[in-house]
Amino acid sequence: GAGVSQTPSNKVTEKGKYVELRCDPISGHTALYWYRQSLGQGPEFLIYFQGTGAADDSGLPNDRFFAVRPEGSVSTLKIQRTERGDSAVYLCATGGGAVTEAFFGQGTRLTVV
Amino acid sequence: GQNIDQPTEMTATEGAIVQINCTYQTSGFNGLFWYQQHAGEAPTFLSYNVLDGLEEKGRFSSFLSRSKGYSYLLLKELQMKDSASYLCAVRDRGGKLIFGQGTELSVKP
Repeated sequence: GAGVSQTPSNKVTEKGKYVELRCDPISGHTALYWYRQSLGQGPEFLIYFQGTGAADDSGLPNDRFFAVRPEGSVSTLKIQRTERGDSAVYLCATGGGAVTEAFFGQGTRLTVV
Repeated sequence: GQNIDQPTEMTATEGAIVQINCTYQTSGFNGLFWYQQHAGEAPTFLSYNVLDGLEEKGRFSSFLSRSKGYSYLLLKELQMKDSASYLCAVRDRGGKLIFGQGTELSVKP
């Protein structure tokens, strides 16, 4: 597609449930980043893919968070046993390589009640 | 550790010039980026520096000094629509893109 697409745009879930957030990158972009952003803060790095592999997952806060990119295109961020503190906007960004800028999707606003 | 610092908020007057500073400490350096983010929207790319010096793009310019771990974003002829959060981001040697907390700029008439 023309831009980075994230679905759903909004997700409300109950504490303890499992959620999946999807990111469709710009066609041909090999780099894909996931971030979490809370109100008034900058994007907090979670994980970075180069192709199919996670090049750096040092930002994942704990083992409830997991992300995959099986074919080097679409990525899914998975959160198990959600907690109220997981509520935030989850942003995906993709780039064409190591030296180009990253383009952001509109984000998924996750609310855990 | 990795750290990017920028002021939390700034205020400037319409038509004026404002400079937003950013200092960084990262695991290697592979480029510095500035993004603009309006409330409720995704960040959008403004500028990229990988070599020392000034990059100019219309009303916006960005400067980099790698030896000092320092950058600034200069906005000229400020307009009300420039009120937004400005994010400094550094790509480290592994390709990870790390953001600062953002500077909330308010442009007053």
